[in-house]
Amino acid sequence: QVQLQQSGPGLVKPSQTLSLTCAISGDSVSSNSVTWNWIRQSPSRGLEWLGRTYYRSKWDSDYAVSVKSRIVINPETSKNQFSLQLNSVTPEDTAVYYCARLRRGGFDFWGQGTLVTVSS
Amino acid sequence: DIQMTQSPSSLSVSVGDRVTITCRASQSISTSLNWYQQKPGKAPNLLIYAASSLQSAVPSRFSGSGSGTDFTLTINSLQPEDFATYYCQQSYSSPVTFGQGTKVDIK
Repeated sequence: QVQLQQSGPGLVKPSQTLSLTCAISGDSVSSNSVTWNWIRQSPSRGLEWLGRTYYRSKWDSDYAVSVKSRIVINPETSKNQFSLQLNSVTPEDTAVYYCARLRRGGFDFWGQGTLVTVSS
Repeated sequence: DIQMTQSPSSLSVSVGDRVTITCRASQSISTSLNWYQQKPGKAPNLLIYAASSLQSAVPSRFSGSGSGTDFTLTINSLQPEDFATYYCQQSYSSPVTFGQGTKVDIK
């Protein structure tokens, strides 16, 4: 059974960097049949896909246009996990953040969610 | 980006009722449509993938249909544990996008 365990702070100051990690068990971050994603959810924006990383003979990542200039998603193969960094956060980035595996087009496993509040 | 529009936004039903939720895409997405159930404080849970395929361990009272731009999630004989919010999501093109959700609550 695949499990995703998120970690990271729940409070970030404006203009600073939001950093979260998603540890994978039961699968490999290097699997070439899935992608590893970050999604956030807020009352104002609903469910919003932020970006993904995946391995297909080489590593690649792609991001939502809304955050493309501020986001990095990286695999960490030695720890079988992947990470999210979102720079220059504002209160609009306050949301519940989820990591999730995408397979056959659907997100079939999710992390537990992390409420991240952007406030001074 | 492909816009996903669900209707209704909410509905009040009774245990045992049949529930139908619709999802419309802003352009054709073939059958690249998935449905999720979300309960308060929890992550979404995949119910249906590829428009009509039942995800493992999901009860058979859930079913999906549709192709192109119009899709339906049906719950036959609603059970108490089915009161939740339901979302559709397209995987036809990047970025994947979600509907705004349909909240199913108790009449």
